Amino acid sequence: GEDVEQSLFLSVREGDSSVINCTYTDSSSTYLYWYKQEPGAGLQLLTYIFSNMDMKQDQRLTVLLNKKDKHLSLRIADTQTGDSAIYFCAEESRGRRALTFGSGTRLQVQP
Amino acid sequence: ETGVTQTPRHLVMGMTNKKSLKCEQHLGHNAMYWYKQSAKKPLELMFVYSLEERVENNSVPSRFSPECPNSSHLFLHLHTLQPEDSALYLCASSQSSGTVNYGYTFGSGTRLTVV
Repeated sequence: GEDVEQSLFLSVREGDSSVINCTYTDSSSTYLYWYKQEPGAGLQLLTYIFSNMDMKQDQRLTVLLNKKDKHLSLRIADTQTGDSAIYFCAEESRGRRALTFGSGTRLQVQP
Repeated sequence: ETGVTQTPRHLVMGMTNKKSLKCEQHLGHNAMYWYKQSAKKPLELMFVYSLEERVENNSVPSRFSPECPNSSHLFLHLHTLQPEDSALYLCASSQSSGTVNYGYTFGSGTRLTVV
């Protein structure tokens, strides 16, 4: 079955880059997503990447996909205190009509 | 209104109560979902509706009963819940094009506490 894994915690200093990693097991993944969840809130879509792409950049966010190793990463440039949140990686597999999520990575940004 | 709206935002109910969670999407999507988010657990998929037909039911106890009267509205009817059902319940919608769904958008969730 599908499995998505993330490290639980990442701490960075304000202004540094943050890199959040994710691994998945399903080789038939079509789209991979990154969501952000702030305390008491729902999930906010940050970005997504189609499985035939290697990289996608959107302002401060860069997504890298290594399909061979089934590894996805989210890089946040110039990390700000407002970026402190939990970040979820999710994937959709071909034929499965829903997202499978990782456990989330808590990003703490220190001033 | 835009996006996915969930009501109520917070709900406290006793174990013998009956209540319903409501979700409405204004995106023109044709698939809707209920997810459960408990502390220290990954998001758990509960139900999937595609074109108003339930296509997935992930071994959810019968005390949770979904209803999808049309492609814009989704309900989760609750009765005789247990304290371990306390969680954040998230609704989402997406556009299905056959084998691939895209544009997943989530609501802000209903924080449910069972006492």
